[in-house]
Order: sequence, then C-alpha cells, then structure tokens
Amino acid sequence: AQSVTQLGSHVSVSEGALVLLRCNYSSSVPPYLFWYVQYPNQGLQLLLKYTTGATLVKGINGFEAEFKKSETSFHLTKPSAHMSDAAEYFCAVISNTGNQFYFGTGTSLTVIP
Amino acid sequence: DTAVSQTPKYLVTQMGNDKSIKCEQNLGHDTMYWYKQDSKKFLKIMFSYNNKELIINETVPNRFSPKSPDKAHLNLHINSLELGDSAVYFCASSQEPGLAGGPIGSYEQYFGPGTRLTVT
Repeated sequence: AQSVTQLGSHVSVSEGALVLLRCNYSSSVPPYLFWYVQYPNQGLQLLLKYTTGATLVKGINGFEAEFKKSETSFHLTKPSAHMSDAAEYFCAVISNTGNQFYFGTGTSLTVIP
Repeated sequence: DTAVSQTPKYLVTQMGNDKSIKCEQNLGHDTMYWYKQDSKKFLKIMFSYNNKELIINETVPNRFSPKSPDKAHLNLHINSLELGDSAVYFCASSQEPGLAGGPIGSYEQYFGPGTRLTVT
C-alpha cells in the first residue's frame, strides 16, 4: 500500500529564505511522486513530479524536489521564498494501478515579509 | 477554455435538501474523480470513473451518488444533506495509460476550481 506523510502542517519562512517542505512516502513498489500547490480558494495545480530517471526534479515557480530512495523522501525546496509562494502544498503518491492518488495532509506555507 | 470546470462554485443549502454538482473536462481524459476537502484541508478521494464506469468507490455514504453520462462529465448528486457534508468538493481528471501502459506522465491529475458546499 502507498501513503505519504508530510512533516509539519505549518511552515513559516521569511521572504528570500530557503523553503523546505518535507514529504516521506511508503510504497512497496517504485513510487511515482508528486507535489501539488493550492492557492487560496483555488483548485490544486501540479508543481512537479517524479516518475523515473533523474532524481532531482525541477518544477514550476523555481521549486524542485529530490527523490531519495534510501530515505524514502521527496522533499520540496526553493532557494528563495517569494510572497506569492504562500499556499497549501500537498505531496502525493500514486497507486500501483495508477488510478488512485494518496495525498498527504498538506503543509501550509506562510511567507513573512 | 477551462480544462476542468465545476458548477456551481458556491452552494449554500439547508439540511435535508438534495443538491447536485456538475463537472466537465475538455482534456479528452478517460478518468475522472471526486474529492472532498474538509476544513482542515485534508483531501479524501470519494469516487473515480474510467470511461463512464465506476472504478473507485471509497467509504462514502449512500446519499452520495456519482453519475457519468459520458467520459467528459462526472456529476455528484447528494441526497438529504447533512451539516457534516459542508466542505469543498473537487473534481479532477487524468489520462489513463491503458492496458499496454503508456507515458507515465499521464498519471497526473488536473483539478477543477472546487465547489464550496455549506449546509446550514
């Protein structure tokens, strides 16, 4: 069975500081991992995804994530936070059959001016 | 040219009423989903349809009934609404790779803007 755990339901960073949002997964097979972002009062939008190949994945808006099999992690980072990054971030893993996502509980990112 | 659209965006109704939420996708995807997001932002899948057939039906009260008239539409009907049904409901779609497999990138889901349901 697949699952994801997001450590920290709320993260606050100063504008210009490093953003680090943590995600650990559990999967009995090679996982497909995703990060989604939800801006206030909007639907979810894909930030980036890992399927196979390069373990460092670059996404939109300057975000990237690294798949570390030994640590079963897929943490999301951005070198310099911007005010517009304030949102809810969800890590997700896909099931073996590819037709069901398992979402984490979300991390709310606050950016302090 | 919205990829996944939902109507209405807001729905306020009283307990005991019956209501429907409509979802349409113009991406040509084979699979559609309904999610419920509670006040703590927790996302829970409710249903999934593939080519108009139900493939996922999580533990959801029988009062919730999805209907897929064609693969571009997945509507959600809710009978006898209760206070606990208040939430944001998201529709999503994705492209199935098919039995022969396919581009793994096709697994990503595209979400609608959500319908905020308030039951009073």
